[in-house]
Amino acid sequence: NAGVMQNPRHLVRRRGQEARLRCSPMKGHSHVYWYRQLPEEGLKFMVYLQKENIIDESGMPKERFSAEFPKEGPSILRIQQVVRGDSAAYFCASSPLPGTSGMTYEQYFGPGTRLTVT
Amino acid sequence: AQKITQTQPGMFVQEKEAVTLDCTYDTSDQSYGLFWYKQPSSGEMIFLIYQGSYDEQNATEGRYSLNFQKARKSANLVISASQLGDSAMYFCAMREVTSGTYKYIFGTGTRLKVLA
Repeated sequence: NAGVMQNPRHLVRRRGQEARLRCSPMKGHSHVYWYRQLPEEGLKFMVYLQKENIIDESGMPKERFSAEFPKEGPSILRIQQVVRGDSAAYFCASSPLPGTSGMTYEQYFGPGTRLTVT
Repeated sequence: AQKITQTQPGMFVQEKEAVTLDCTYDTSDQSYGLFWYKQPSSGEMIFLIYQGSYDEQNATEGRYSLNFQKARKSANLVISASQLGDSAMYFCAMREVTSGTYKYIFGTGTRLKVLA
């Protein structure tokens, strides 16, 4: 029973390049969340997706950042034209479908992708 | 605005002692969930314990218990018999249901150091 998978685990990009972060949710989970964690800080919500649908992107910067969760394949968080301030750990979490009987709907987190912009 | 407050940036506890990590929350919803996660130095987020807003009893999971005081809007984590491996960051989180979907809000965390 594989957990949430994220790749790559570490990503180094130069300023101006694009970063693509991938997340495969746990089997049976249809909700994916992306969070950003700056060093020594808590998790900041970025975006919440279901398959082929963005539910809430209120935490996503308006420019350069985008996310998708296609019908097939992993969820992708894309950062275009990265800047040094984008250096952070990006966590993906998944949870089961609401309404599933007996579920507490805790989020299961992936190991994170640590992005370093040089 | 909904939020989670963790007022203790850092805590120390002697090995084998109990420790309480504070968490207060603010919400106008009647139905919500409260969670605690552990983040060791390796970086992964580990789910520890859950408390539903309608649960009458405090949640317990092994050495972890959640001291839920609904009127005070607090959900403190109690770790009994601390172990060196408990040294980590601890995050309190709240889940709200909005229009049938879920949103999670995290506190800023408390760094716990267990002393030998």
